[in-house]
Amino acid sequence: QVHLVESGGGVVQPGGSLRLSCEASGFTFNNYAVHWVRQAPGEGLEWVAVTSHDGGIKSYAESVKGRFTVSRDNSKNTVFLQMDSLRADDTAVYYCARDRGPYSSGWFVSWGQGTLLSVSS
Amino acid sequence: DIQMTQSPSSVSASVGDRVTITCRASQGITNWLAWYQQKPGKAPQLLISDASNLESGVPSRFSGSGSGTDFTLTISSLQPEDFATYYCQQSFTTPITFGQGTRLEIK
Repeated sequence: QVHLVESGGGVVQPGGSLRLSCEASGFTFNNYAVHWVRQAPGEGLEWVAVTSHDGGIKSYAESVKGRFTVSRDNSKNTVFLQMDSLRADDTAVYYCARDRGPYSSGWFVSWGQGTLLSVSS
Repeated sequence: DIQMTQSPSSVSASVGDRVTITCRASQGITNWLAWYQQKPGKAPQLLISDASNLESGVPSRFSGSGSGTDFTLTISSLQPEDFATYYCQQSFTTPITFGQGTRLEIK
């Protein structure tokens, strides 16, 4: 059974940094692209970033480009989201989501439970 | 960016009703459209991909249709567990974008 578990959320001051993790199990991790999607409190869904199965292809939303970096360690079945220069409008629940195949089809087939980031002074 | 617009933003319906939610893309996306269901405090769940492909395990009362710019999600006979928020999403091009959501409430 596919299982994704996010961790690393918390409270950070504006301008600070944080790294989120997404640990996967129940499938052959290095065969799939993984996305990050976020949801601000009471708001809709926003796609953030994606990494291909081998980390060779990455893409970002304009709102986080240059500040966030997605990476993966296939030996640990884990995807990371390094978030720098955090702003108040980055406050959200961050979900990782597995794609259908090794490259982004954009279909978020399986999701983690999410981890909450709050950017506040 | 491709803008996705859902209507209505909210709808009230009763168990057994047929409900249709529409989604319009700001430009043609062929069939690169998905529908998700989200319940409060939970992660979204993929219901339909490729505009009309029902995901494994999703009840057959859910169906999707459309191509180009106009799409619909239909629930043929509402069940109590269907009251949730529904999002459409395009994957024709990056950035991947979502509609603003449709909240389906019990009448």
